[in-house]
Amino acid sequence: EPEVTQTPSHQVTQMGQEVILRCVPISNHLYFYWYRQILGQKVEFLVSFYNNEISEKSEIFDDQFSVERPDGSNFTLKIRSTKLEDSAMYFCASSTDRVNSPLHFGNGTRLTVT
Amino acid sequence: AQSVTQPDIHITVSEGASLELRCNYSYGATPYLFWYVQSPGQGLQLLLKYFSGDTLVQGIKGFEAEFKRSQSSFNLRKPSVHWSDAAEYFCAVGNFGNEKLTFGTGTRLTIIP
Repeated sequence: EPEVTQTPSHQVTQMGQEVILRCVPISNHLYFYWYRQILGQKVEFLVSFYNNEISEKSEIFDDQFSVERPDGSNFTLKIRSTKLEDSAMYFCASSTDRVNSPLHFGNGTRLTVT
Repeated sequence: AQSVTQPDIHITVSEGASLELRCNYSYGATPYLFWYVQSPGQGLQLLLKYFSGDTLVQGIKGFEAEFKRSQSSFNLRKPSVHWSDAAEYFCAVGNFGNEKLTFGTGTRLTIIP
């Protein structure tokens, strides 16, 4: 069964550094999402992306965050200047449509900001 | 704003016993409701969803959930749990299908022999 793959599985970075989290959604999916889960807290929506533009974003997704689909297969989340509070598990997800098909989640990237 | 409450942080059940995980939501219109399961080191997997129609929905792995509008609840049930069901379970609500899901804090399920 096709899967959403995320790399790396664990990323450690210093505060203030830029990080790029990478995701390869399922190939025929059209809608892409990023969620995050701070340790011990809820899974939180960050952003949704369709047709090469952001369709929805949360209050968390401020100017420090950006998303891109650079080459038709990858879907990336960039954090420009990481803060300690950005430490979390980041999940990528994709789906074929907005409503009826399920979200397929990747296994996540654990980001640790020191 | 939409919200989800899962009142049970941790539940322990004997293998073969029945299971019910509670979920209450707050949302102004008819919600899109989901249950996801997360095994250690894995992503979230959809167990079942409710959009409209029959309020009792069947999912994968023998799970079912019932939407009760009057109680703002969407509890997950399984008649007989298996050791492989040990995982974290998340209830979620969406404003339109998959868009902008709001998750609960999760319920960790432990299965004892």
